[in-house]
Amino acid sequence: SQQGEEDPQALSIQEGENATMNCSYKTSINNLQWYRQNSGRGLVHLILIRSNEREKHSGRLRVTLDTSKKSSSLLITASRAADTASYFCATDSNRGSRLTFGEGTQLTVNP
Amino acid sequence: DAGVIQSPRHEVTEMGQEVTLRCKPISGHDYLFWYRQTMMRGLELLIYFNNNVPIDDSGMPEDRFSAKMPNASFSTLKIQPSEPRDSAVYFCASTYGPPYEQYFGPGTRLTVT
Repeated sequence: SQQGEEDPQALSIQEGENATMNCSYKTSINNLQWYRQNSGRGLVHLILIRSNEREKHSGRLRVTLDTSKKSSSLLITASRAADTASYFCATDSNRGSRLTFGEGTQLTVNP
Repeated sequence: DAGVIQSPRHEVTEMGQEVTLRCKPISGHDYLFWYRQTMMRGLELLIYFNNNVPIDDSGMPEDRFSAKMPNASFSTLKIQPSEPRDSAVYFCASTYGPPYEQYFGPGTRLTVT
């Protein structure tokens, strides 16, 4: 299985609600990143959290990291229809410069 | 900056033909990555370069795939001969150092019939 695995695979919510996506990984990491991909587009970096950090905020995004459980979560507050996209976590896995991406969570925000 | 540029955006070719995908990274970025994305396998790293030198090509599926980076502003991914199972979206990404955020291009959607 992949280093990063997102959960759930798909999530559908109403505009204004919060969306939480989870990521689990298997080996130790230096950093974990979250990316967004709109349909038919390339991935866009959202946020990076280092292994010695537990929580990080960026606008409506909140990321947590629990290295003891090898898991991370991405919370999007007050979701908007424009947040509809696939969200991926990516880990560096101490393998140099490469990132390993999970399979993604497809988020649909209904207006 | 215009971001990472990829060409062509769409490519339709017949099995057995040679396909060349092109990428221009963001100026000043020392790392360039080639990925392939399919529904079945997700996003896979094929190869990455640092200062124009290939560092890890363990993701290149087979000898039909080759990648070059002749200078800091240009890279190619070539498939020869192409097969229908190569149909995918191929992304190029660049960054200024690990493990910093990667900047992705818009991708090339390849269809091999």
